[in-house]
Amino acid sequence: KAGVTQTPRYLIKTRGQQVTLSCSPISGHRSVSWYQQTPGQGLQFLFEYFSETQRNKGNFPGRFSGRQFSNSRSEMNVSTLELGDSALYLCASSLGPVIDTQYFGPGTRLTVL
Amino acid sequence: AQTVTQSQPEMSVQEAETVTLSCTYDTSESDYYLFWYKQPPSRQMILVIRQEAYKQQNATENRFSVNFQKAAKSFSLKISDSQLGDAAMYFCAYRSAEYGNKLVFGAGTILRVKS
Repeated sequence: KAGVTQTPRYLIKTRGQQVTLSCSPISGHRSVSWYQQTPGQGLQFLFEYFSETQRNKGNFPGRFSGRQFSNSRSEMNVSTLELGDSALYLCASSLGPVIDTQYFGPGTRLTVL
Repeated sequence: AQTVTQSQPEMSVQEAETVTLSCTYDTSESDYYLFWYKQPPSRQMILVIRQEAYKQQNATENRFSVNFQKAAKSFSLKISDSQLGDAAMYFCAYRSAEYGNKLVFGAGTILRVKS
């Protein structure tokens, strides 16, 4: 079974631009979560989607948003990019929102100049 | 809010020897899950082991085992017969049984394996 895939793997943007990252979960998985990883703040939860509904949201500004499609693929969007948004963005999928173990994708490395 | 603390920023172990990575957490919940994830230089997060809080028996996966002390809120990872491929950043993570898939991570421990 194919693992979690994330596209693109690397991205360079400038301040003020917006960006969209994509995540395709493991086949059959319906829950997708997003995390931001930075050297200063570590790994922080962004949001979780299940059956196209946001179930949980971390403590991030409204510039960070996401959505999930009917095929469980998810996208996250960051508008008005700031230098501090430079990070590794990790997506994780699981069968459902309860009990299940999350499996992570390889991440998207975003650099904001 | 739950917190996870990994007090060892870096650890070293000789190949074939045993090393223990420490993790403590703070929660008021009685039902939850604990995980150890490994992140090698490739940055791919890999699940190492998982423990359900309601289970008294410590989880084991081949060379990896945990010492789960619920009352002390401690969850250490023991790696036996260390191999060069074990070198990575290790993260301890907490997940509530009630609030979906949100993982709360510790700061991580870099494990170096010497040959």
